[in-house]
Amino acid sequence: SQQGEEDPQALSIQEGENATMNCSYKTSINNLQWYRQNSGRGLVHLILIRSNEREKHSGRLRVTLDTSKKSSSLLITASRAADTASYFCATDRSGTGRRALTFGSGTRLQVQP
Amino acid sequence: DARVTQTPRHKVTEMGQEVTMRCQPILGHNTVFWYRQTMMQGLELLAYFRNRAPLDDSGMPKDRFSAEMPDATLATLKIQPSEPRDSAVYFCASGLVITSGIYEQYFGPGTRLTVT
Repeated sequence: SQQGEEDPQALSIQEGENATMNCSYKTSINNLQWYRQNSGRGLVHLILIRSNEREKHSGRLRVTLDTSKKSSSLLITASRAADTASYFCATDRSGTGRRALTFGSGTRLQVQP
Repeated sequence: DARVTQTPRHKVTEMGQEVTMRCQPILGHNTVFWYRQTMMQGLELLAYFRNRAPLDDSGMPKDRFSAEMPDATLATLKIQPSEPRDSAVYFCASGLVITSGIYEQYFGPGTRLTVT
């Protein structure tokens, strides 16, 4: 079963607007990561937030983590057409010894110029 | 600019044929992952290796899939015999340990496999 579930599944906004994507997960985690995938390409790591962190910034990206609600959000501010891509959250589950990430189903973001 | 490379980028084959996909991880990374991506199932972990030893291949159909890492610069994923339901994009990723087991993964461009 999917550990991370993103919503919305698809999002269409105008250039300059902010885009917010959410991720929910089921089990305890060590960290949560966000990745981006352009059409026909591999995934690219964007940002990692540890379980003891609540917020992290990287350029126009802002990630929050609420471990009590088992949820995370990715905010892209002042979006650009080049931000059009699919965005995935991935969790590193704690306590399993299974050092592999579990990916969600992704949010497809379309930024209209 | 270190990258994960995968070959071939595209493969079209007939049902029953053997398919071998290759991956060269980033030098110095000690963990290699194989994923399969389809529209229906999303991104699924098939297998992963640490220091060339298989750690988890529970996501892989064992009767037809095999994954190996003959040396630190090469990982292979083989399907024999291939079936139409194996059609997907197969990604290799190599892992960098950031802090005590926390991985940032670097993905290759993928192999798009079509089995007719």
